Amino acid sequence: DIHMTQFPSSLSASVGDRVTINCRASETVLGFLNWYHQRPGKAPEFLIYAGFRLHSGVSSRFSGSGSGTNFTLAISNLQPEDLGTYFCQQSYSAPPWTFGQGTKVEIK
Amino acid sequence: QVQLRESGPSLVKPSETLSLTCAVSGFSISDGFLWAWVRQAPGMGLEWIGSLGHSEAHYNESLKSRVNISLDNSNNEFYLKLTSINVAETAVYYCVRVAALNYRRFFDVWGQGLRITVSS
Repeated sequence: DIHMTQFPSSLSASVGDRVTINCRASETVLGFLNWYHQRPGKAPEFLIYAGFRLHSGVSSRFSGSGSGTNFTLAISNLQPEDLGTYFCQQSYSAPPWTFGQGTKVEIK
Repeated sequence: QVQLRESGPSLVKPSETLSLTCAVSGFSISDGFLWAWVRQAPGMGLEWIGSLGHSEAHYNESLKSRVNISLDNSNNEFYLKLTSINVAETAVYYCVRVAALNYRRFFDVWGQGLRITVSS
């Protein structure tokens, strides 16, 4: 199975800051990389697919980049509603489609 | 607007079978896509359990011998059965729609989740 590692595991930032979250795959997943956001006590919400394509309705403050084994999610102009945990997921080839362990974002 | 809603028992005894239902509204499951179950143990990450469509089925290898996912087109629902459940499988269980675009699959619609406790 392809193992996904996210770093940092948590971060704290102020409203208006730009933050980045990294995701590394144990082997290439080409561009088959998705990002999700989970607010406390809620279900995950789909943000980005193909490494950089925003899902419909997702704020342009979110952006994704990378390919192969290294990917980044950036959030610009951080807002209070951005708090929660962010997960990357690879969907390369056949399942299992594995998730990273998550990065918790806190607002200072 | 596509919506998914899980239902089932909140408490299951160890060694019993967990049976969950996901009711789908705003979209007909017979029209395609894959339909999946994902779980999240307390304070932990997301674990994909399995996915089923009309022409393909995939299960997490670690659960394959105990898991069954099925579709009911007439009721627009899909189901999860997990046999011989154990205490470590206490988790929130989510039903999910798996969409695809240009061969890229992603989990675009999630149910609200159902908290399942495994305890005697």
